[in-house]
Amino acid sequence: DAEITQSPRHKITETGRQVTLACHQTWNHNNMFWYRQDLGHGLRLIHYSYGVQDTNKGEVSDGYSVSRSNTEDLPLTLESAASSQTSVYFCASSPTGDTEAFFGQGTRLTVV
Amino acid sequence: LAKTTQPISMDSYEGQEVNITCSHNNIATNDYITWYQQFPSQGPRFIIQGYKTKVTNEVASLFIPADRKSSTLSLPRVSLSDTAVYYCLVGDVEAGGFKTIFGAGTRLFVKA
Repeated sequence: DAEITQSPRHKITETGRQVTLACHQTWNHNNMFWYRQDLGHGLRLIHYSYGVQDTNKGEVSDGYSVSRSNTEDLPLTLESAASSQTSVYFCASSPTGDTEAFFGQGTRLTVV
Repeated sequence: LAKTTQPISMDSYEGQEVNITCSHNNIATNDYITWYQQFPSQGPRFIIQGYKTKVTNEVASLFIPADRKSSTLSLPRVSLSDTAVYYCLVGDVEAGGFKTIFGAGTRLFVKA
């Protein structure tokens, strides 16, 4: 079955380190998204992509970057991790022209 | 993107019908209305989507009045397992991509 997977599921890193979170989908969806969710809050959009070589900033993009070299993957990089980036990160994908997005299980990142 | 307003929380009992209303006063002509459900420690899951009038699937119904400035998600005969956060989103599904912006959501607590 097609799916979307995130790795790692849990990560602890130190302040100032570069961290990359992986997102891989097998639906061949053009649209991919990264969100962060802080305890007790809704999801906030970090970056999104509408296709290969396309990337766009979301609401809270400072300190994050993404690249889209193929359809299946949209890795999220924290250039220099900060304690304020401790959060749960969700990746999602959707077909072109469709609002039904499919979410991964999330990555819990702790920056110490 | 149109801003949405939902109640922060709602309580219900098992077996009751639950209606969650979302306000989206500045919805655009091409915008669709989409609802997601999120359980703790999981990514959101698509529930239902509509443009106008009424949409029903095996999980829920979505009622949209003629002016489309609000919508109501109806969950028939809820069970304890329906305890979750419910998000209302509006956006243009006709565009090449759909940038999914989540609000704070409505936390539904179903009691025995």
